[in-house]
Amino acid sequence: GEDVEQSLFLSVREGDSSVINCTYTDSSSTYLYWYKQEPGAGLQLLTYIFSNMDMKQDQRLTVLLNKKDKHLSLRIADTQTGDSAIYFCAEIPMNTGFQKLVFGTGTRLLVSP
Amino acid sequence: SQTIHQWPATLVQPVGSPLSLECTVEGTSNPNLYWYRQAAGRGLQLLFYSVGIGQISSEVPQNLSASRPQDRQFILSSKKLLLSDSGFYLCAWSVERPGETQYFGPGTRLLVL
Repeated sequence: GEDVEQSLFLSVREGDSSVINCTYTDSSSTYLYWYKQEPGAGLQLLTYIFSNMDMKQDQRLTVLLNKKDKHLSLRIADTQTGDSAIYFCAEIPMNTGFQKLVFGTGTRLLVSP
Repeated sequence: SQTIHQWPATLVQPVGSPLSLECTVEGTSNPNLYWYRQAAGRGLQLLFYSVGIGQISSEVPQNLSASRPQDRQFILSSKKLLLSDSGFYLCAWSVERPGETQYFGPGTRLLVL
C-alpha cells in the first residue's frame, strides 16, 4: 500500500543540526523526494534520492535512505531561522503506473534564535 | 527556464458558487500536469493529473473537475462549492518521463464561507 509517515513537529536552536524522519511502506518506490513549504507558499523541491543510493549530500542537506527499513531522513546542518518551514517527504510508487507523488503529512520545523 | 503560474493567489467564495482556478506552465512542451489539495494542517492529496490535452484522470471522487484545454493550461473547476472545498490548491508539472520530479506553483488559497 501507499502510506508515508512523518512526525508533525521539530524544534531546534539556530546552529544545531535538524533531522527530519520519514517512513514509507511501498517497497517499489524508486524515487524519494524532500520538499520545503514556507508559510503561504507552494512547495519547493529541496533534493531527491534514487533508491539505489544510500546517501546524498547537497551543501547543508544530507539525505539518508535505509531501504531495508523503508526509512528516509533529511539532515540540515547549521540550521538557520530561514529553514523554518514544513518539510514533506514524498515517494513515487512505481506500481501505480503513473508518476503519482504520495506525500507524507509534513514536519513543521521551528528554528529558534 | 520553466515557470508555473497559478491564479488567483487567494479566493473567498460563498457556498454554492462556481469555481475556476487556472494554472499555466511556460518553457516546456507536453508536460504532465497535476492538481493537489492541501487541507489545513494536513499533507497533500492528488486530485487530478493529465498527460495531454483533454486527458484527465481523477484520483478521488469529489465535487471538483479539471480540464486541459491547451497543452500548458490546467483548470480546476466546480459548479457548486462546498465548505469542505476550502484549502490550498497546488498545481504541479513534470516532464513525461516516469519518475521525473514534479515542480509546484505558488498555490491558490481558497476559503469557502
